This record gives sequence, structure tokens and C-alpha cells, in this order.
Amino acid sequence: EPEVTQTPSHQVTQMGQEVILRCVPISNHLYFYWYRQILGQKVEFLVSFYNNEISEKSEIFDDQFSVERPDGSNFTLKIRSTKLEDSAMYFCASSETANYGYTFGSGTRLTVV
Amino acid sequence: AQRVTQPEKLLSVFKGAPVELKCNYSYSGSPELFWYVQYSRQRLQLLLRHISRESIKGFTADLNKGETSFHLKKPFAQEEDSAMYYCALMAYGNKLVFGAGTILRVKS
Repeated sequence: EPEVTQTPSHQVTQMGQEVILRCVPISNHLYFYWYRQILGQKVEFLVSFYNNEISEKSEIFDDQFSVERPDGSNFTLKIRSTKLEDSAMYFCASSETANYGYTFGSGTRLTVV
Repeated sequence: AQRVTQPEKLLSVFKGAPVELKCNYSYSGSPELFWYVQYSRQRLQLLLRHISRESIKGFTADLNKGETSFHLKKPFAQEEDSAMYYCALMAYGNKLVFGAGTILRVKS
């Protein structure tokens, strides 16, 4: 069964550093997403991406965040200057159509120290 | 406002007992609801979509618009059902709004 692949599985970074979280969505999927889950809290929507542009973003997704699809396969989330409160599990997801239900990656655990 | 509520953090049942994981939602539009499951140290997996009215691994869920509920049920729990279960609502903009999740523990 096709999978969404995320790398790295765990990243530790110093406060103020930039991080890039990488995702390879399922190849025929057109919609891409990032979610995060702070330890002990709900899974929260960050951003959706379709047709090479952001289609929706949450209030969490401020100017420190950006997404990119640099080539035909990768979908990245960049945090420009990390803060302690950015520590969370970040999930990438993709879907073939809107409203179908996503396939999630296994997540990247980001720890900001 | 769009919201998903899962009132139980933990549900513990014996193997063979019926299971009902509760989910209530608040949404002004026509809701599309999902159940996701996360087994230990694994990814979130789509379990059910209400629009497909399917049964996966013996689980079913019926959308009740009058009660704004989408409870997940299984008549006979198995140990391998132990996991975290998330109810989610597809809101405007094709984004999922998740509940807080319920841990299901099936005891032998």
C-alpha cells in the first residue's frame, strides 16, 4: 500500500535555528497538508497546499512557517526561527481528492532546546 | 464554530465486550466525518468515512445529525483493537478538525 514518507523521524534543534521537515506524498495525490500535535494536545491543522499554492492556513501558520514543493515529489515545511513552543510531532498528509480523507505520514518529532 | 468532542480520554473494556467510542461535533455546514486510529508508535490511519458507510475491522459508525454524533462501535472487542482513536470533521477549506482522542484498552 502506498505510503506518505517523512524525514527525519526525530530532529533536535536549538532555539532560533531554521528547520526543514521533509515529506514525500503519495505520487498521484494532489492535495498536501501539514498538521502538528504538541505532546498531550490535539492534532492541529497547519496548512493545506494544492496546485502549487497554499489553499488554507491556520492562525498557527504565521510568517515563521513556509511550505514548498520544490520538485515533483517532495513537500517541505520550513520553520524559519524555531521557538521552544514549536516542539511537537509534525504530520504530513496527502489526498487524491478533496474531502476524501487523507493518508498521513508517520511524523517528525521536533524538539527545540 | 467547528469542534469535535470526544468525552472519554480512556475507555477500558474486556475482550469480547462491546465498544462504543463517543464523538460529538459542532459544524454549521453539512458534516463529513472520519475516524482515524493510531496504533502504538505508528502513523494515523484512516479507519472509517461516514460517506462510505463501510465496516472496517468490525467497526461501524453512524452519523446522527439530530444528536450531532458519530459514535464508533464494535460488537466484540479484540486485544488488537487497543489504540488511540480520533474522530475528525472535514471543515471548510478541506481541513480536518480533530477531537482530543480516546485511548481504547482491551483487556484479556
